[in-house]
Amino acid sequence: NAGVTQTPKFRVLKTGQSMTLLCAQDMNHEYMYWYRQDPGMGLRLIHYSVGEGTTAKGEVPDGYNVSRLKKQNFLLGLESAAPSQTSVYFCASSGQGAGYTEAFFGQGTRLTVV
Amino acid sequence: AQSVSQHNHHVILSEAASLELGCNYSYGGTVNLFWYVQYPGQHLQLLLKYFSGDPLVKGIKGFEAEFIKSKFSFNLRKPSVQWSDTAEYFCAVTGLYNNNDMRFGAGTRLTVKP
Repeated sequence: NAGVTQTPKFRVLKTGQSMTLLCAQDMNHEYMYWYRQDPGMGLRLIHYSVGEGTTAKGEVPDGYNVSRLKKQNFLLGLESAAPSQTSVYFCASSGQGAGYTEAFFGQGTRLTVV
Repeated sequence: AQSVSQHNHHVILSEAASLELGCNYSYGGTVNLFWYVQYPGQHLQLLLKYFSGDPLVKGIKGFEAEFIKSKFSFNLRKPSVQWSDTAEYFCAVTGLYNNNDMRFGAGTRLTVKP
């Protein structure tokens, strides 16, 4: 039982390049989330999904897109990477909304945009 | 705007010292409150949560937190810290916007000296 798995774990991008971060969970959770963690700012919610085929904006959605085509996967896309998107990205999932039950987090993806 | 504040950015303690980490939120409505911990090199994991009822909640590893509604606070405590408690601690709140939108504080880095 792997829990929440993020791919890749590290990535370096050049400004303007695009990439997709994959989050996969094997707990049959309905809810999935993408956060970014920056020094001194904690975790900030980018987008979330309350079920297959749904997405919603969080606190800092600009410059990111997401898709939830399959219940177990939540993809985060950067269409044109910028240095301001250098961060550690965390995916999480929960069986009910994050406000009702524990959220399980992945190990994180460290992204550097140069 | 609604927010979550952790005023202690870095706390250094010796083993066996008592710990109290502050967390405040700015919102007059109903919220759910959480403390998550991130040990070095590991993913975030839930320490404890408060939804309703007894405002003093107990979590794993001897941690507890007290919800004081009049002060909009949810402080984390441990009577006697151990070196293994060295980690980053995050307060999180849902209900500021909706119960699927979990907002985190900036985090407090705890260093426990052996």
